[in-house]
Amino acid sequence: KAGVTQTPRYLIKTRGQQVTLSCSPISGHRSVSWYQQTPGQGLQFLFEYFSETQRNKGNFPGRFSGRQFSNSRSEMNVSTLELGDSALYLCASSLGAVLETQYFGPGTRLLVL
Amino acid sequence: DAKTTQPNSMESNEEEPVHLPCNHSTISGTDYIHWYRQLPSQGPEYVIHGLTSNVNNRMASLAIAEDRKSSTLILHRATLRDAAVYYCILSSPGGSQGNLIFGKGTKLSVKP
Repeated sequence: KAGVTQTPRYLIKTRGQQVTLSCSPISGHRSVSWYQQTPGQGLQFLFEYFSETQRNKGNFPGRFSGRQFSNSRSEMNVSTLELGDSALYLCASSLGAVLETQYFGPGTRLLVL
Repeated sequence: DAKTTQPNSMESNEEEPVHLPCNHSTISGTDYIHWYRQLPSQGPEYVIHGLTSNVNNRMASLAIAEDRKSSTLILHRATLRDAAVYYCILSSPGGSQGNLIFGKGTKLSVKP
């Protein structure tokens, strides 16, 4: 099976812009989770989607949003970018149950100038 | 969610065994212990998980203390490719799906 893919791999934006990141899960996986990784805060959970519904949400401002399509592909959007949004954004897919192994993509590295 | 404590860093020599400790003194009876690792410039990858009994797979072994307040990830013969940050994570069947709570992890360096 192909692994989790994320596009784009690298992105440079300026403050105030918005950005959309894409994640294609492993075939058959219905859950997609998004994480933000920064040197200071480590890996932090953003939100999780299952069957096109947001099932869980982390403690991030409303500028961070996401959605999932019927083919389980997911996008996350960050509006009004801030310098502090510079990070590695990782998505992970799984079958969807609590204890299921999560399979991570390589991430999208976002730099906000 | 219960918290885990890991050393910030550890060093190992290539081809020697490595024991990575994790303390989870507030673990509940239904919490599973998961280990993930993150190689440089990659996303985390699953290593192993267990509940009470010791577990083995092709990557590693997981030794769980009898009182379950600590566990140890064992790499039997470290290779240079095992240099990574190792995360010990607890999750409960009653917890939220799709949400792994990562701590700071242990950065493992492997010397040739």
